[in-house]
Amino acid sequence: QSALTQPASVSGSPGQSITISCTGTSSDVGGYDYVSWYQQHPGKAPKLIIYDVSNRSSGFSSRFSGSKSGNTASLTISGLQAEDEADYYCSSYTSSSTNWVFGGGTKLTVL
Amino acid sequence: QLQLQESGPGLVKPSETLSLTCTVSGDSISSSIYYWGWIRQPPGKGLEWIGSIYYSGSTYYNPSVKSRVTISVDTSKNQFSLKLSSVTAADTAVYYCARRDLGEYCFDPWGQGTLVTVSS
Repeated sequence: QSALTQPASVSGSPGQSITISCTGTSSDVGGYDYVSWYQQHPGKAPKLIIYDVSNRSSGFSSRFSGSKSGNTASLTISGLQAEDEADYYCSSYTSSSTNWVFGGGTKLTVL
Repeated sequence: QLQLQESGPGLVKPSETLSLTCTVSGDSISSSIYYWGWIRQPPGKGLEWIGSIYYSGSTYYNPSVKSRVTISVDTSKNQFSLKLSSVTAADTAVYYCARRDLGEYCFDPWGQGTLVTVSS
C-alpha cells in the first residue's frame, strides 16, 4: 500500500479538464511544499511534470498545473489531448525516515 | 543533455545479491549540486524510493531496505551502483536511477529503467 493515496483511474474527453488528487498526511504533503508529479507512458521512464507543488517542469505546457490544500495535492490537466493518456504519480518529501513517498499512481484515459 | 542508463542482470536467484549500475553521461557525477538515487516499481504497482548518494559517498536509505542495501559511487567511471542482498520475489521490479538537484525535492531526469526478476 502506497503512502500517498491517488485514485486508481480518471478519464476525460479531448478538450476537457481533469484533476487527480493525492492525499497524504501532515508529515508529508501537508507539512512541506515539496510535492511533485510525474507522467509515465507505458514502458517508459517517469518524467517530471510539476515540482514544489505548482512549478512546471520545462517541456510541459501550461495545460498542466498543480496545487495543494491541507494534506491533499492536485494535478489538473486542461484541454485534454490523446497524448496525455498515461499513468501519473505524485510524490512528496516526508519528515519520516523514509524521506520520499509516492502515490500508487492514477491511470488517465482520454476517451 | 544529461542521460542515465541502468545496466545489470535481469534475473537474480532468491537469497542472492542484486547488483545494478547507473552510467551518467552529459554531466559529471562528481558535481556538488546533485544527489543520485535509485527508485523501483514492482510490476503493476507504484514507485518506491530505495536510497540516494552524494558524490562524496554520503548515503541515505529507505528503512524498508536499509539492512540489505548499499549504494556506492565510482567517480572515475561516472557511475553509481546499487547492491541489494538476500533478495526475494518481492524485490522483483523495474529499477530506475535518477538525479536530484541539491536543494530540490524531486527526481529529474530518470533512466529508462531495467527489469530485475527474482526467481530460481
